[in-house]
Amino acid sequence: DSGVTQTPKHLITATGQRVTLRCSPRSGDLSVYWYQQSLDQGLQFLIQYYNGEERAKGNILERFSAQQFPDLHSELNLSSLELGDSALYFCASSVGDRVSYEQYFGPGTRLTVT
Amino acid sequence: GQNIDQPTEMTATEGAIVQINCTYQTSGFNGLFWYQQHAGEAPTFLSYNVLDGLEEKGRFSSFLSRSKGYSYLLLKELQMKDSASYLCAVKDSNYQLIWGAGTKLIIKP
Repeated sequence: DSGVTQTPKHLITATGQRVTLRCSPRSGDLSVYWYQQSLDQGLQFLIQYYNGEERAKGNILERFSAQQFPDLHSELNLSSLELGDSALYFCASSVGDRVSYEQYFGPGTRLTVT
Repeated sequence: GQNIDQPTEMTATEGAIVQINCTYQTSGFNGLFWYQQHAGEAPTFLSYNVLDGLEEKGRFSSFLSRSKGYSYLLLKELQMKDSASYLCAVKDSNYQLIWGAGTKLIIKP
């Protein structure tokens, strides 16, 4: 158990819908990262927050948005869903971001768009 | 652009040794990580190298050569549970983690 929690574990929804994925980082970690992993694909970095502020953006679509709240939990919002958005979405956290701290991953949310 | 190369798939025999290579071209370097990921599960941290040389941790070792932009992960006394994907990731000059596509390791009895 990494200490990072993600809800829900599974989500099935229809095209065109909007969903929110939630992540709670490990106690004491200030950085939160979101990743997308499609079937048999590598990890695609989406976005990073550090202590409430956006720190870095990766290959995140305009239909996707995220935020980190004062209690440091984070939410990833996916809208106008398409079949291709079906994937595992991982959240990870680390103590900081400038120094080379390892990232701890949550169990992921499996999103299926039908 | 930034690039990390790993073999897509490797096969090895239980009890043997396997070396998974990773080459990288990034804008700056602030450390290299190896993660293990079993199918459908979250990646878990294996090792971190920031200086040249070999880091040993039980059955797993990781080597780094910064001048060659090269690392390898060495797995000894392979067990069936080592069947997984192994991800190489490099922190660039902006401290952003650049991920390789991963190497799927298949262990045969």
